[in-house]
Amino acid sequence: KAGVTQTPRYLIKTRGQQVTLSCSPISGHRSVSWYQQTPGQGLQFLFEYFSETQRNKGNFPGRFSGRQFSNSRSEMNVSTLELGDSALYLCASSLADRPNYGYTFGSGTRLTVV
Amino acid sequence: QQQVKQSPQSLIVQKGGISIINCAYENTAFDYFPWYQQFPGKGPALLIAIRPDVSEKKEGRFTISFNKSAKQFSLHIMDSQPGDSATYFCAASGADNFNKFYFGSGTKLNVKP
Repeated sequence: KAGVTQTPRYLIKTRGQQVTLSCSPISGHRSVSWYQQTPGQGLQFLFEYFSETQRNKGNFPGRFSGRQFSNSRSEMNVSTLELGDSALYLCASSLADRPNYGYTFGSGTRLTVV
Repeated sequence: QQQVKQSPQSLIVQKGGISIINCAYENTAFDYFPWYQQFPGKGPALLIAIRPDVSEKKEGRFTISFNKSAKQFSLHIMDSQPGDSATYFCAASGADNFNKFYFGSGTKLNVKP
């Protein structure tokens, strides 16, 4: 069974640019959540998507956005990149109708903003 | 406000010893408490989880102890092995937003051979 796939694995962007990250969930998983991981702030929840709708949202500025497609694949976008956006971005997928069941993380996308 | 507080930040244990990591939470609406293990270059992987209706859960060498009145829970790794060297995170979520996890700051465990 394939796991959660995140692409690309590594990205280098310049301050002010925008970036789009992709997450393909485990087959059958309809919920996709995104997290930002940094040494200083740890793992912080960005948002969750279920059935193409944002169901939960963390405390991040509007520069961070996401969407989910009908096949449950999700993308997150960060506009007007800042140096502080350098982080490992993780997505996790799960069975939306079974709380906490099968919550699985991908290996992440390492974003470096220069 | 940090919802889940984790200690220690780092831990060195001899092979065969017991590793203990502690977490405390504030929100009494939390009803699911997992522990994750993360190796460099990988995403966190679920290790073991507990709900507040039990005080202890054991899976192999890994045990969660849960104290609902103190709002604390801990991970015990028995017979620690060098392969257990990783970063461990506790987390919590509530019934209303069960896929929104609040994570502790992480504990870097180093098991010496």
